[in-house]
Amino acid sequence: AQRVTQPEKLLSVFKGAPVELKCNYSYSGSPELFWYVQYSRQRLQLLLRHISRESIKGFTADLNKGETSFHLKKPFAQEEDSAMYYCALDPTGANNLFFGTGTRLTVIP
Amino acid sequence: GAVVSQHPSWVICKSGTSVKIECRSLDFQATTMFWYRQFPKQSLMLMATSNEGSKATYEQGVEKDKFLINHASLTLSTLTVTSAHPEDSSFYICSARPGQGARNEQYFGPGTRLTVT
Repeated sequence: AQRVTQPEKLLSVFKGAPVELKCNYSYSGSPELFWYVQYSRQRLQLLLRHISRESIKGFTADLNKGETSFHLKKPFAQEEDSAMYYCALDPTGANNLFFGTGTRLTVIP
Repeated sequence: GAVVSQHPSWVICKSGTSVKIECRSLDFQATTMFWYRQFPKQSLMLMATSNEGSKATYEQGVEKDKFLINHASLTLSTLTVTSAHPEDSSFYICSARPGQGARNEQYFGPGTRLTVT
């Protein structure tokens, strides 16, 4: 069965500092990985997906199949990055998502 | 664009009654809609996937007779919690996927908080 682990429930960094939100997964096949973000009082929205290999709002994430990780990184955190971040896995490509428990990022001014 | 609404945003009901939650795609047609459940400080858990005009596919451990899902049109899916009990109290979130392609993005609703007394 698939599983997504986000080891940090809370993460605080200072503005301008690098940030890394960790995500590890377990699945025997080749899943698709996503990062979703939920800003305060807003709904969940897609931040980025590994197949797109793009940078969104300065965030990037590289799928490491050897380490089964999909960590989210940004070199210089901004206050507006404060939000709840969820890593998600789609095991079959059918867009059925399985979420991690989320990490609440706080960027300190 | 790509807005998904849910109604009601919160509901309180008595134990033993049924409650219906609506999920609508406002500006696109959603071939597939998904229902999630989120307990406090926990992750979203996929409950079921519904495709317009066909029966929903439930995830393991989700009682299909308790959580009735209907996806009668391309813009509306409903989740009915039947004979609700306090342990059904949770945050229910739907998402909708436009088009036929499985790789299309899901758009999430704002969620419905259900409290069963």
